[in-house]
Amino acid sequence: AQSVAQPEDQVNVAEGNPLTVKCTYSVSGNPYLFWYVQYPNRGLQFLLKYITGDNLVKGSYGFEAEFNKSQTSFHLKKPSALVSDSALYFCAVRDVASGNTPLVFGKGTRLSVIA
Amino acid sequence: DTAVSQTPKYLVTQMGNDKSIKCEQNLGHDTMYWYKQDSKKFLKIMFSYNNKELIINETVPNRFSPKSPDKAHLNLHINSLELGDSAVYFCASSQRQGRETQYFGPGTRLLVL
Repeated sequence: AQSVAQPEDQVNVAEGNPLTVKCTYSVSGNPYLFWYVQYPNRGLQFLLKYITGDNLVKGSYGFEAEFNKSQTSFHLKKPSALVSDSALYFCAVRDVASGNTPLVFGKGTRLSVIA
Repeated sequence: DTAVSQTPKYLVTQMGNDKSIKCEQNLGHDTMYWYKQDSKKFLKIMFSYNNKELIINETVPNRFSPKSPDKAHLNLHINSLELGDSAVYFCASSQRQGRETQYFGPGTRLLVL
């Protein structure tokens, strides 16, 4: 079985400060990992993904995430937060060897960047 | 030139009615999906089609019936609507399953009264 956890419902950060949104996962084999962002009344937008290779993945809008196999984590980071980064962020996982099983999403973390 | 589009954007209807939501993608993708996002923002897969063939059907009541007339379209028909069906329904597509990025439509906000 595969699962993903986002332990924080809400993350507050001041504009200009670094931000981290946490994600941990559980799969029986190796994972494909994704981050998506959802702005109010919009669909999900892809930010970045880890498939294989470099553990540090760079994505859209200055976001990056680090795959840590030993800690089964894929935390999303940005060095300097913008007010416009305020949104709902979803981590998702799929087991590489899982056949037709679907992508599993976390419950989401609401990021609020305060000016 | 929207990549994944859904109609309608909003749908307000009475309990017991039947309604359909349409989805189209112009990305040339082989795989399409329907997701349900509830009021707490939990996102759950409902169905997945690959080249018009159903490949994922996740414990969804049989009042929900997806139809894929071609690989660019995946429609969702809902019979005998219930209050609990109120949610936002998202269509998505990807080149294939697995490691491919999914691209989401803007969502259809369904309210059942």
